[in-house]
Amino acid sequence: YVLTQPPSVSVAPGKTARITCGGNSIGTKSVHWHQRKPGQAPVLVIYYDNKRPSGIPERFSGSNSADTATLTISRVEVEDEADYFCQVWDSSSDHVVFGGGTKLTVL
Amino acid sequence: QVQLQESGPGLVKPSDTLSLTCVVSGYSIRNNNWWGWIRQPPGKGLEWIGYIYYSGSIYSSPSLQSRVTMSVDTSKNQFSLNLTSVTAVDTALYYCVRSGSDGYMIDYWGQGTLVTVSS
Repeated sequence: YVLTQPPSVSVAPGKTARITCGGNSIGTKSVHWHQRKPGQAPVLVIYYDNKRPSGIPERFSGSNSADTATLTISRVEVEDEADYFCQVWDSSSDHVVFGGGTKLTVL
Repeated sequence: QVQLQESGPGLVKPSDTLSLTCVVSGYSIRNNNWWGWIRQPPGKGLEWIGYIYYSGSIYSSPSLQSRVTMSVDTSKNQFSLNLTSVTAVDTALYYCVRSGSDGYMIDYWGQGTLVTVSS
């Protein structure tokens, strides 16, 4: 099972960033999003498509339908600059699958 | 606060065994979670290696299954990875992770440890 993400997304501070994760019928799977900043442990920012862990700002939201899942970051801040990875469990192969990752640059 | 910390040699010789340990703090490894390993070779994407449950049940990547051994030490609240017969392609940043009870969601990560395979 293959997940496809754009390698990079750029956004100005205060604007909205959308990072997509494409996969065959991904809407039938649960999608989780992770944020990784240089030198830091990755952090879960969205789980089960649209749920936010405690401590994650409300600016982070997620959606998932058909062949695309989307991570939306509203009112982007400089601190949001990071790599973002989508992740699913592929039950057909009992396997965790990651997208290739998207580097978010805040201009 | 759940914390995971990887440890192990940063340099391994080709054909040797790569051994890493992940110490879990702030949470019991005997709880209803899967514990696992992820790696990222330089310039490449994240690759799931496998999960282990404290009872010893294991899921692992078919591509690595023949070379991977995982174990849990509940007395030390830690789990370990052994990867045998390593080559340069096993050079990567290795992360230990915690997953939920169903294994679907990775919710905590270690900081990662870089392992280089070189003579």
